[in-house]
Amino acid sequence: QKEVEQDPGPLSVPEGAIVSLNCTYSNSAFQYFMWYRQYSRKGPELLMYTYSSGNKEDGRFTAQVDKSSKYISLFIRDSQPSDSATYLCAMREPNFGNEKLTFGTGTRLTIIP
Amino acid sequence: DAGVTQSPTHLIKTRGQQVTLRCSPISGHKSVSWYQQVLGQGPQFIFQYYEKEERGRGNFPDRFSARQFPNYSSELNVNALLLGDSALYLCASSLMHQGAEQYFGPGTRLTVT
Repeated sequence: QKEVEQDPGPLSVPEGAIVSLNCTYSNSAFQYFMWYRQYSRKGPELLMYTYSSGNKEDGRFTAQVDKSSKYISLFIRDSQPSDSATYLCAMREPNFGNEKLTFGTGTRLTIIP
Repeated sequence: DAGVTQSPTHLIKTRGQQVTLRCSPISGHKSVSWYQQVLGQGPQFIFQYYEKEERGRGNFPDRFSARQFPNYSSELNVNALLLGDSALYLCASSLMHQGAEQYFGPGTRLTVT
């Protein structure tokens, strides 16, 4: 079993819809949770960064972490065609000096105009 | 400010050859990490360096090595290339404080024939 599980999709939704992306994990030591957006053949771009459980909102994006269920989510409101990309969840333990990120496989998202 | 830069952008090598990939971190960032991303998968952690010392190593063979220079730039070396080494190699940098965010470069796409 992988430490981080993510549905690879692909996921297609109409423009303006709310998108929900999810990851589950098995390592209870993970404390930092990230969502990266990756356009085709580009490097990952940091979208959201949260520590421990709770919600964080930034514009049209909301990240949720439920440590009791080992489940994290990213919501995109009013989705735009420019949101079409692969979304990677990533997480790490709170070990100072060791910054290893463990990623999911990524979910490929297409927003249909 | 410039982001993380990597060179070269693309590289084609033959099985058995050796390759060196280069990374320059964001100005002020002293920690550099390397990841391998195979098509359709999330990035896999290879190495982390901080102040020229190795701080973390992923599950990769000894054919993979890296180093960090006094200016915090880094090189990743891969010897005796195999077809399976074909991937996008990503470099990430951070400020290396507790919970520091990691920012990725555009990557080097390596093709082994």
